Amino acid sequence: EAGVTQSPTHLIKTRGQQATLRCSPISGHTSVYWYQQALGLGLQFLLWYDEGEERNRGNFPPRFSGRQFPNYSSELNVNALELEDSALYLCASSSGGEAQFFGPGTRLTVL
Amino acid sequence: GDSVTQMEGPVTLSEEAFLTINCTYTATGYPSLFWYVQYPGEGLQLLLKATKADDKGSNKGFEATYRKETTSFHLEKGSVQVSDSAVYFCALSPRSNYQLIWGAGTKLIIKP
Repeated sequence: EAGVTQSPTHLIKTRGQQATLRCSPISGHTSVYWYQQALGLGLQFLLWYDEGEERNRGNFPPRFSGRQFPNYSSELNVNALELEDSALYLCASSSGGEAQFFGPGTRLTVL
Repeated sequence: GDSVTQMEGPVTLSEEAFLTINCTYTATGYPSLFWYVQYPGEGLQLLLKATKADDKGSNKGFEATYRKETTSFHLEKGSVQVSDSAVYFCALSPRSNYQLIWGAGTKLIIKP
């Protein structure tokens, strides 16, 4: 069974640009979660999507947004990039509130 | 609000030593508890979980017991190997919204 996949692996942008990160969940999982792992700040919850709807968001500004598609894959968009947005962005999926399974992450670097 | 506190690292042990990484939590209700592991250069992997009081999660020789009375979920392994070197994260999932709330992570270094 294929695990959670994320693309791209690495992404380099400049300040003010937009970044789009993608995630495909494990087959049969309807929930997708996004987390930010910034150096020195640990893991922070960003967004939770389930059945195409945003269910919860963490303490991040509105320029962090996303969506979930009918096939349950998800996209995270970060607008007006700032230097402090540089981090590893992790996507996880789950089924019915059980344990979350993580993808390898997208390393976003903002110059 | 809900929170997780882990012992600070790094923790440095010799091969075959006994490992304990402490984790305590604060939560309303009865959360599920997890340990995740992040090997160098890799993503997060679920190591073990427990969903109710007195449950014991186990995997790859690691164990943790959900202790409601002490609000703890300490990770233990009887004999560590060099390959266990990684960062270990304790996390809880409130029943209300399923988002994971994370501890800061504990870096474990095993020397041969």
